[in-house]
Amino acid sequence: KQEVTQIPAALSVPEGENLVLNCSFTDSAIYNLQWFRQDPGKGLTSLLLIQSSQREQTSGRLNASLDKSSGRSTLYIAASQPGDSATYLCAVSSNTGKLIFGQGTTLQVKP
Amino acid sequence: GAGVSQSPSNKVTEKGKDVELRCDPISGHTALYWYRQSLGQGLEFLIYFQGNSAPDKSGLPSDRFSAERTGGSVSTLTIQRTQQEDSAVYLCASSQDGLSTDTQYFGPGTRLTVL
Repeated sequence: KQEVTQIPAALSVPEGENLVLNCSFTDSAIYNLQWFRQDPGKGLTSLLLIQSSQREQTSGRLNASLDKSSGRSTLYIAASQPGDSATYLCAVSSNTGKLIFGQGTTLQVKP
Repeated sequence: GAGVSQSPSNKVTEKGKDVELRCDPISGHTALYWYRQSLGQGLEFLIYFQGNSAPDKSGLPSDRFSAERTGGSVSTLTIQRTQQEDSAVYLCASSQDGLSTDTQYFGPGTRLTVL
């Protein structure tokens, strides 16, 4: 059974810092890995989707990497801003798109 | 364009009552997913619809839970004889074709509280 783990559970950094969020999964037979952002009381917003054949994806200040063989992904956020404060969720996908989520990392960026 | 919408945004009900939650996916999206987010369990897959295929119900926690998708568009998740452990945020998502390459777009969720 696929299990997804995110470390740390919570993170607080001063504005401007670069930071890394970690995600690991137990079964390397995934089709893709996605990073989502969730603001309090809101739904999920997709940030980056990495296909199983890819190594990384970039969008603005965000960079996500995937090492399928070791069952790991990282989300790198450059020059963090208070508006980046949210919960970040990692999810791996089956061939039908069914997602299995980690517990999330709650990020606070202090001005 | 319009995103995924869900109604109601909040639902408070008494233990033992039935509830219906509604999801309107993005127009043209053939795949629709229901997930549940609770404090103890995180985000869990419930059920998946793709076109006219039989739904994948493998995530439904008990036979009190059912869902249907009429006309390939709107979906309703029904919980019968609600229990306190059913309290959670129920999230709906849709994607273009249900492929692993597709991004899933999530609605804002329905917060269900069972008293």
